[in-house]
Amino acid sequence: GENVEQHPSTLSVQEGDSAVIKCTYSDSASNYFPWYKQELGKRPQLIIDIRSNVGEKKDQRIAVTLNKTAKHFSLHITETQPEDSAVYFCAASRYGGATNKLIFGTGTLLAVQP
Amino acid sequence: DSGVTQTPKHLITATGQRVTLRCSPRSGDLSVYWYQQSLDQGLQFLIQYYNGEERAKGNILERFSAQQFPDLHSELNLSSLELGDSALYFCASSKGQAGTGELFFGEGSRLTVL
Repeated sequence: GENVEQHPSTLSVQEGDSAVIKCTYSDSASNYFPWYKQELGKRPQLIIDIRSNVGEKKDQRIAVTLNKTAKHFSLHITETQPEDSAVYFCAASRYGGATNKLIFGTGTLLAVQP
Repeated sequence: DSGVTQTPKHLITATGQRVTLRCSPRSGDLSVYWYQQSLDQGLQFLIQYYNGEERAKGNILERFSAQQFPDLHSELNLSSLELGDSALYFCASSKGQAGTGELFFGEGSRLTVL
């Protein structure tokens, strides 16, 4: 089955700096890669996703890149702000497959220091 | 508010006991997913139902069972509870059964086993 590895487990940056979180996946059939943000004591919420037919997607200060050959994808946050502090989870699944089994990475705790 | 309702929000019980967690999906969503979140394990996929039928299974213990009812709400039953079952249990829902995109998470049910 699918296995998703995520690094680093914790990341501390200064406000205004960039943050990068990296994930690798094992199932070459996976073609949908979302990122969820979980603030302290809250539920996970989707912030951006990418499908395997594109290599990069941007939404304001966040972007995701995908390298299908290497089976890894990354989340980039620019001009970080204190409200970006949260746990970020990457995930992988097969879009259009028989199931929507979304497998998550172990999470990255991002702390943005003011 | 995601539209996904989970009850109870908090539950404290003793080892060996049985509990039932309940989830009502967003209106119109046919798929329900259960995830377990413990401190060092991230979001572990347990099971998925689509329109009343089991669609995918993850690392769900034999002591755990789930079902989705005709009105689409779902219940997760945890029996012979152990200390290690203490965790936050999330329910999520989506419209389709395939990897069609965003999962909407409830606020979670925090289970403490003493």
